[in-house]
Amino acid sequence: QLLESGGGLVQPGGSLRLSCAASGFTFSSFAMSWVRQAPGKGLEWISAITGAGYGKYYAESVKGRFTVSRDNSQNTLLLHMNSLRVEDTAVYYCAPEYGSRNYYRDWGQGTLVTVSS
Amino acid sequence: DIQMTQSPSSVSASVGDRVTITCRASQDISGWLAWYQQKPGKAPKLLIYGASTLPGGVPSLQSGVPSRFSGSGSGTDFTLTISSLQPEDYATYYCQQANSFPLTFGGGTKVEIK
Repeated sequence: QLLESGGGLVQPGGSLRLSCAASGFTFSSFAMSWVRQAPGKGLEWISAITGAGYGKYYAESVKGRFTVSRDNSQNTLLLHMNSLRVEDTAVYYCAPEYGSRNYYRDWGQGTLVTVSS
Repeated sequence: DIQMTQSPSSVSASVGDRVTITCRASQDISGWLAWYQQKPGKAPKLLIYGASTLPGGVPSLQSGVPSRFSGSGSGTDFTLTISSLQPEDYATYYCQQANSFPLTFGGGTKVEIK
């Protein structure tokens, strides 16, 4: 099970921290990703982190503004979002890798981030 | 970055029709491709990974994904086929390359009722 939280309304330039609480699998054994979907738009992968947390990857659209991290002792994935823009408005999903590759079988319900003045 | 181009962007089809959706990668991704189905307000559902494998690992076994869904292709050109469209298949479908970061999705194909 995956449960995202932390979304909400924030002004442009603001910050937000998303959390993803994982259960039902050995969290530390799986790379995790964040995928977002703007209203009425398609899916956009934005970040991934390896199981131990040493490898981190970002889409160009969020590089330098977003930071992914994980706490394997708490089975929690985090996304620190700074310098938020209107175009960051989206539902944010977390998902573990599947098939030893970055495919995504299991998804959370998503958390909505709205960036607006 | 690898660009994923899906076509068509939408298709109207009737129950029982065979529906084919294509996905083209801007460079060789071998077989590192997935297909997802998404219904409004819901998270995506993984249909196919490794270009042709249903989740569960064995193409011939039920894995929560009906066997009317199949995938094929390698390199740059891939296809998702629904052999006989069912009412519950009306949704938007996305391809995704897992060859290299940044991971990228296609723009989506909306399957609508004719």
